[in-house]
Order: sequence, then C-alpha cells, then structure tokens
Amino acid sequence: DAMVIQNPRYQVTQFGKPVTLSCSQTLNHNVMYWYQQKSSQAPKLLFHYYDKDFNNEADTPDNFQSRRPNTSFCFLDIRSPGLGDAAMYLCATSGGGTSYEQYFGPGTRLTVT
Amino acid sequence: EDQVTQSPEALRLQEGESSSLNCSYTVSGLRGLFWYRQDPGKGPEFLFTLYSAGEEKEKERLKATLTKKESFLHITAPKPEDSATYLCAVQAGGDYKLSFGAGTTVTVRA
Repeated sequence: DAMVIQNPRYQVTQFGKPVTLSCSQTLNHNVMYWYQQKSSQAPKLLFHYYDKDFNNEADTPDNFQSRRPNTSFCFLDIRSPGLGDAAMYLCATSGGGTSYEQYFGPGTRLTVT
Repeated sequence: EDQVTQSPEALRLQEGESSSLNCSYTVSGLRGLFWYRQDPGKGPEFLFTLYSAGEEKEKERLKATLTKKESFLHITAPKPEDSATYLCAVQAGGDYKLSFGAGTTVTVRA
C-alpha cells in the first residue's frame, strides 16, 4: 500500500543535542510538509516543499531546518532542542496541482530531557 | 488570515446517540474544506474533502456537509470505535497549506 512512513516513532533526546527525524513516501507526491503538534492543539505547519522548492513559515524558529534530497524523502533537523520542542512531529504529503488532500504519516513523538 | 473554529471542544455520546460537530471558517477564496480523524498518538487520517456549498460526502456513519460559512460532520448511531478527535482544515487561494481547527474530541460510551 502507498503510504507515508516516519522514523523513528519515538525519539528521546537531551536538551541541546541535535536530532533528525525522517519521513519517506511511496505516493510519489510533489509536496511534503512538516507539522508540529502539541497536546490538544491543532497541527502547526513548520515548512513545506513543492518538489525542491522550500517554503518556510514566518514563525518557524531558526532552530528547525529541513532537507529533501529526493522526491521520496524529507528530513526535519532540530539543531538545539529545547524543552518546548517536545511534541508530535507529523509529516504529510499531497499531490500538488489540483490535488490538495494531505496524507499524514503516523508521527514521531519527541521527548526532550 | 484564515480562521477555523471547531465546536464543541469535546463531545461525550452514548452508543447510538447521533450528533453533529461544527466547523466554522473565515477564508478568502476557499479551495477545499477537509475533515480528518485523529486517534491518540497517531497521525490524522483523511476522511473527506468538500469543495463547494451544498456538497455532501458520506462514509459509513459519518456525513459531512458544507455551507458558505461552516461545515458539519454528522455522526449517525455512533459506536465506541468512532471515538477520536475530528479535525477540520481549510485551504484557500493558490496555496497548498492547510489551516486547521483545534479539533473536537468525541468519546462514545458503550
């Protein structure tokens, strides 16, 4: 089945220690997104790629970076995690063009100690 | 700025007790309104897309409707497995971004 895969599902990191979360997709979608979701809150878009074009949200902290080396993979790098960065990180994809539905992966739960 | 407001925040239902969730929105140039289901600790699962006022979509016990200012998600004769958080999102203009509401958490008791 075509899907969005996130690894790891759970990540524990120390305060200030860089961490990378990964996302892969078998849907061959043009657009990939990273969201941050805290408990009982709406998902908050951090950035998205349309193919290789990177689009950063104005309020995304510089501490968050992303890479998309090819169509299938996208990475979220948190350079110096703080306690406030503990959250669920969601990757999503959409087809682009006139296809707007976003399909989400299972998420990575990040804990910062 | 696009705004999406969902109500109520939480809904507790008895099995078989039908009810509706509301999503009101303020956007310029609606391209689509989306409903998602999210189970605890998991990513949102796509349910429906609605594009224009008057449109309706159904899936099992769920039915989504759309007007020019709001959308409703009707749950008919719910079962405990319908317990989840239901998220509404809108897309406007030429952007690919979605603006999400905070969700309605539905609990269905047997």
